Amino acid sequence: EGHLLESGGSLVQPGGSLRLSCAASEFTFSNYAMSWVRQAPGKGLEWVSSIGGTGGDTYYADSVKGRFTISRDNSMNTLYLQLNNLGAEDTAVYYCAKDLFPFNGRFDAFDIWGQGTMVTVSS
Amino acid sequence: DIQMTQSPSSLSASVGDRVTFTCRASQSISTSLNWYQQKPGKAPKVLIYDASTLQSGVPSRFSGSGSGTDFSLTISSLQPEDFATYYCQYTYKTPLTFGQGTKVEIK
Repeated sequence: EGHLLESGGSLVQPGGSLRLSCAASEFTFSNYAMSWVRQAPGKGLEWVSSIGGTGGDTYYADSVKGRFTISRDNSMNTLYLQLNNLGAEDTAVYYCAKDLFPFNGRFDAFDIWGQGTMVTVSS
Repeated sequence: DIQMTQSPSSLSASVGDRVTFTCRASQSISTSLNWYQQKPGKAPKVLIYDASTLQSGVPSRFSGSGSGTDFSLTISSLQPEDFATYYCQYTYKTPLTFGQGTKVEIK
């Protein structure tokens, strides 16, 4: 069915940077769009960023545009999220998620999620 | 950008109850609407996609309906494992907006 495992979350100071990774297994990674979704403590889900199957199409929420960069390495079956200029508002659990259907230019429901990795921005 | 508004924000119900909650889009989204269930400390799980298609493995007591701007998720007979928070989400084109969630609590 597929499996996702995030890593890279940690405590970072305001203004700092971090790179999150999401290792995929048991599905043909390059066929699917992938996304990052975050959840601040006690809050709801917030879509952060998505990337098409080849990596050529990237999309961002306004709240992270210009600070976060999504990328993927299909040879390594890994999704990344580079987080720069972090602020307290970025404190959250970050989930990676897979689209339900192979990418054809539109996005679908997220059928596989990782367990999440915690990013805490604090001095 | 499309905004998604869920109601109510929380509800109390008993095991065996039929419960329905709604999600409204700020503009027509056809049937590009998904429902997720999230339990504390866990990743969300997709229940319904394309407004009314039950995801494989999800119990048939869950059903979704709607199109355009108004959508609903119904649980026909609430089970103990169904107490959770439910989110709707628009997916087709970005931003892939989530609603703010409906928390289902035990009465």
